[in-house]
Amino acid sequence: EPEVTQTPSHQVTQMGQEVILRCVPISNHLYFYWYRQILGQKVEFLVSFYNNEISEKSEIFDDQFSVERPDGSNFTLKIRSTKLEDSAMYFCASSNTNYGYTFGSGTRLTVV
Amino acid sequence: AQSVTQPDIHITVSEGASLELRCNYSYGATPYLFWYVQSPGQGLQLLLKYFSGDTLVQGIKGFEAEFKRSQSSFNLRKPSVHWSDAAEYFCAVDPRGGGSQGNLIFGKGTKLSVKP
Repeated sequence: EPEVTQTPSHQVTQMGQEVILRCVPISNHLYFYWYRQILGQKVEFLVSFYNNEISEKSEIFDDQFSVERPDGSNFTLKIRSTKLEDSAMYFCASSNTNYGYTFGSGTRLTVV
Repeated sequence: AQSVTQPDIHITVSEGASLELRCNYSYGATPYLFWYVQSPGQGLQLLLKYFSGDTLVQGIKGFEAEFKRSQSSFNLRKPSVHWSDAAEYFCAVDPRGGGSQGNLIFGKGTKLSVKP
């Protein structure tokens, strides 16, 4: 069964540092998403991406965040200057329509 | 405001007992509805989804859910719980329309514990 792959599974970074979270969506999917889950809280939508541009973003997705599809397979989330409150599990998802997602296993980001 | 409510934070059931996890949403139209399961340290696995048609939908692992428009509910059920069902369960809604591009709105989740 096709999977969405996320790397790394766990990343620790110092406050103020830049991090890049990586995702390999399912190959024939066209829609890509990032969600995050702060420990003990609900999963929250960050951004959706289609046709090489952001199609929608939430209030959380401020100027510190950016997404990119640098090649035909990877989809990345960059946080320019991490804050303590960015510590969370970040999930990538993809779909071949804009519903019916497949989620990755997540990257746990810890900002110290 | 648009919201998804899972009123039970934590439920404990005995193995073999039946299970019902509640989910209510507040939207004007019928959204697309999903249930996901998350085992510790794992990602989100889709159990089932409802878009239209038959209001009782079957999913993986023996789960089913019933959409009730009059109650704005989409409760998840399983007739006989197995110890491996212990996990956290999330109800999610795709509100559709109003500019939504298909992003999901999640409930806070219900943690299921299973007693031997």
